Amino acid sequence: SYELTQPPSVAVSPGQTATIPCSADRLDTHYVCWYQQRPGQSPVLVLYQDSKRPSGIPERFSGSNLGNTATLTISETQPMDEADYYCQAWDITTHVVFGGGTRLTVL
Amino acid sequence: EVHLVESGGGLVQPGGSLKLSCAASGFRFESYAMHWVRQVPGKGLEWVSGISWNRDSLGYVDSVKGRFTISRDNAQNSLYLQMESLTTDDTAFYYCVKDLRGDYGEPTTLDYWGHGTLVTVSS
Repeated sequence: SYELTQPPSVAVSPGQTATIPCSADRLDTHYVCWYQQRPGQSPVLVLYQDSKRPSGIPERFSGSNLGNTATLTISETQPMDEADYYCQAWDITTHVVFGGGTRLTVL
Repeated sequence: EVHLVESGGGLVQPGGSLKLSCAASGFRFESYAMHWVRQVPGKGLEWVSGISWNRDSLGYVDSVKGRFTISRDNAQNSLYLQMESLTTDDTAFYYCVKDLRGDYGEPTTLDYWGHGTLVTVSS
């Protein structure tokens, strides 16, 4: 089965840039989405097709996908960005697959 | 505005059955693929099942194949998940989720999520 690997946690200072990686074999042959889930809330789509932002998502959120790693980058990180972030892709055998999630802490 | 409202969750004994429903509004339901995603409280997301706009294509995670059945009624703007032979491992919040596209397959983008309904499997 196809697995997406994320670090359990990432910490960043307010105003700095946070990077959250998502790794899998030949990941750049798949489109990757990213979801933000704040405590007690449903997930929200923040990036799709590697780097596209849905309406309402700030430009501070950007993404890339190269080789085996997709990356979510949050510039000028704010306290409101503190949340769990999940990457997601499609695989022919597993169909929809999520990474294990990364808790972003804004210190 | 897109609204997805799940219902049908609750407490059920191991081996029991439950049917989840999702009422959709604010978009042309018949044109989009739909999914169920679950989350054990405090844990990560797990995709459960998805279905194309016209029901021609669908899929399940391996752990629920043969036990869960996804369906939709485009006339009623509703998505369903029939769950049989439930085990304690099925305990989770179940989210109804809209796809950005009508087809089931790559790329799958889950652009709107409901608030979830809790299924608890326990004796």
